[in-house]
Amino acid sequence: QVQLVQSGAEVKKPGASVKVSCKASGYTFVYYTMHWVRQAPGQRLEWMGWLNPGNGNTKYSQQFQGRVTITRDASATTAYMELRSLTSGDTAVYYCARSPINRGFDSWGQGTLVSVSS
Amino acid sequence: QSALTQPASVSGSPGQSITISCAGTRSDIGGYDYVSWYQQHPGKAPKLMIYEVSNRPSGVSSRFSGSKSGNTASLTISGLQADDEADYYCSSYSDNSAYVFGTGTKVTVL
Repeated sequence: QVQLVQSGAEVKKPGASVKVSCKASGYTFVYYTMHWVRQAPGQRLEWMGWLNPGNGNTKYSQQFQGRVTITRDASATTAYMELRSLTSGDTAVYYCARSPINRGFDSWGQGTLVSVSS
Repeated sequence: QSALTQPASVSGSPGQSITISCAGTRSDIGGYDYVSWYQQHPGKAPKLMIYEVSNRPSGVSSRFSGSKSGNTASLTISGLQADDEADYYCSSYSDNSAYVFGTGTKVTVL
């Protein structure tokens, strides 16, 4: 069965960076785009960007452009999301989600809580 | 991009039907048939309920249906059940290969 398993919760200081991993299994990693979505406490879902695991191409939301980088290690079927220059406003649960192109996000990771506090 | 606009809350009694709207623009909902809907229970990851405007993934109840007219998409839940109580989000593909989510709707079963 399809599984996306994310790395554990993180606590960071303002100005620091965080890198969250998403290990995929149960399907051919390079055949599906991988997206990152975040959700601040009590707030809506926010799309951050996507990665084509086959060629490494990425597209980022304008809101996070310049501050986020999504990468992958295809041999390890793992995607990564790095967010830099963290502020308290980045405190959120970060999800990875798989997508058969334009057919919605059909499988999600369990979420990784990133807390930013001085 | 700006978030798609959804009503903050919708409620209905068991067995009734409810409809959640999702308003966008020509740059997203109106320009593409790539609207999807997600159900999210508290503390859980979202679950895909509808993709490509009106298609249901395997395993999703036929009580859930989707449609689109112009720049607005809709999700209808018929035969409302207690377990349908959750937050619902729409999402759309948009210009420049990006995606956008809606503001979210809390569904309450009375």
